[in-house]
Amino acid sequence: KNEVEQSPQNLTAQEGEFITINCSYSVGISALHWLQQHPGGGIVSLFMLSSGKKKHGRLIATINIQEKHSSLHITASHPRDSAVYICAAPGYGGSQGNLIFGKGTKLSVKP
Amino acid sequence: GAGVSQSPSNKVTEKGKDVELRCDPISGHTALYWYRQSLGQGLEFLIYFQGNSAPDKSGLPSDRFSAERTGGSVSTLTIQRTQQEDSAVYLCASSPDGNYGYTFGSGTRLTVV
Repeated sequence: KNEVEQSPQNLTAQEGEFITINCSYSVGISALHWLQQHPGGGIVSLFMLSSGKKKHGRLIATINIQEKHSSLHITASHPRDSAVYICAAPGYGGSQGNLIFGKGTKLSVKP
Repeated sequence: GAGVSQSPSNKVTEKGKDVELRCDPISGHTALYWYRQSLGQGLEFLIYFQGNSAPDKSGLPSDRFSAERTGGSVSTLTIQRTQQEDSAVYLCASSPDGNYGYTFGSGTRLTVV
């Protein structure tokens, strides 16, 4: 069964800083998810990626399938980016919905 | 609808009672997922439906939990004889076919007293 580790657990940044959140997993997969959970609890799917890099606005996600590692980057961070960021991988490989979730990284961006 | 709709948004029930939680996925999405998030805990997988395939029930924590998806659309998660440890936010998500990012509902907060 896949094990998903995220780091750091908590991250405080100043507005404008470049943010990196890391995720590693133990079992080979075909796709990894990055989610954002706002303080109110709502969850938004940011990325589902299987190779290389994806970009959406100021968010960039990369994955290295061979090293079983993914990173989420936020450029020019803003207080509205404050949230918990969660990575998730299929529990038994593949791309099914049986996801194992990381414990999340709580990001706080100060103005 | 435009998004994934869950009802009720909040449910308080007495220990031992049965509850039903409803999820209405985005129209046309063949994949539907149930997860839960207990207070202070991370997200955990419960069950996954994909089209007409047999659901993946491997995350259901006990036989008190069951789920069905009727007509490939609406899904109901049923918890029988609720226990206090069942208190959590139950989240539903859907995806066009499982190979694209998921859309999450806003969840049902279940409190068992």
